[in-house]
Amino acid sequence: GENVEQHPSTLSVQEGDSAVIKCTYSDSASNYFPWYKQELGKRPQLIIDIRSNVGEKKDQRIAVTLNKTAKHFSLHITETQPEDSAVYFCAPLREYGNKLVFGAGTILRVKS
Amino acid sequence: DTGVSQDPRHKITKRGQNVTFRCDPISEHNRLYWYRQTLGQGPEFLTYFQNEAQLEKSRLLSDRFSAERPKGSFSTLEIQRTEQGDSAMYLCASSLEEIAGVRYFGPGTRLTVL
Repeated sequence: GENVEQHPSTLSVQEGDSAVIKCTYSDSASNYFPWYKQELGKRPQLIIDIRSNVGEKKDQRIAVTLNKTAKHFSLHITETQPEDSAVYFCAPLREYGNKLVFGAGTILRVKS
Repeated sequence: DTGVSQDPRHKITKRGQNVTFRCDPISEHNRLYWYRQTLGQGPEFLTYFQNEAQLEKSRLLSDRFSAERPKGSFSTLEIQRTEQGDSAMYLCASSLEEIAGVRYFGPGTRLTVL
């Protein structure tokens, strides 16, 4: 089965700085790569996703980059704000798969 | 807040009791998922329906767990003879078949087994 690891497990940044979270996966058949944000006590929320035929995708202050050869993808948040503080999960998925396998999560703290 | 709804939002029960949770997906979504999340961990897949058919069930799910989606709309998750280790947040999610992944989670049902 898929083995998913996220690094770092905790990340503290100063407001306005950038944050990068990396997700490493094992299943070479994975071809869909989403990132979720979960605030304390709330449901996971899909914030950005990318397919394997694209190397990078950007949506305002967030971006996802994919290195399929090395089997990792990363979440980039620029100009961080206090409301970015949350737990972020990656969950790579194989083609025609239905079972997202979530990483253990990265706690992001943005200090103002 | 339209979207996936779950009921109840919180459930406290004593060990050995049975509990049932309900999930109402977004109306046109034919896929429905159940996940379980414990503190400090990512959601863990439990089971998945396409319309009324249960197509996959986690090997982690013991025989005490059963899920149904009788008419391809709402779903129920029942846990029999609850144990303290069942305490967790139970999340439901729904999606359309032609769209990859899971985009819409419900608010979850928090189960506490005393």
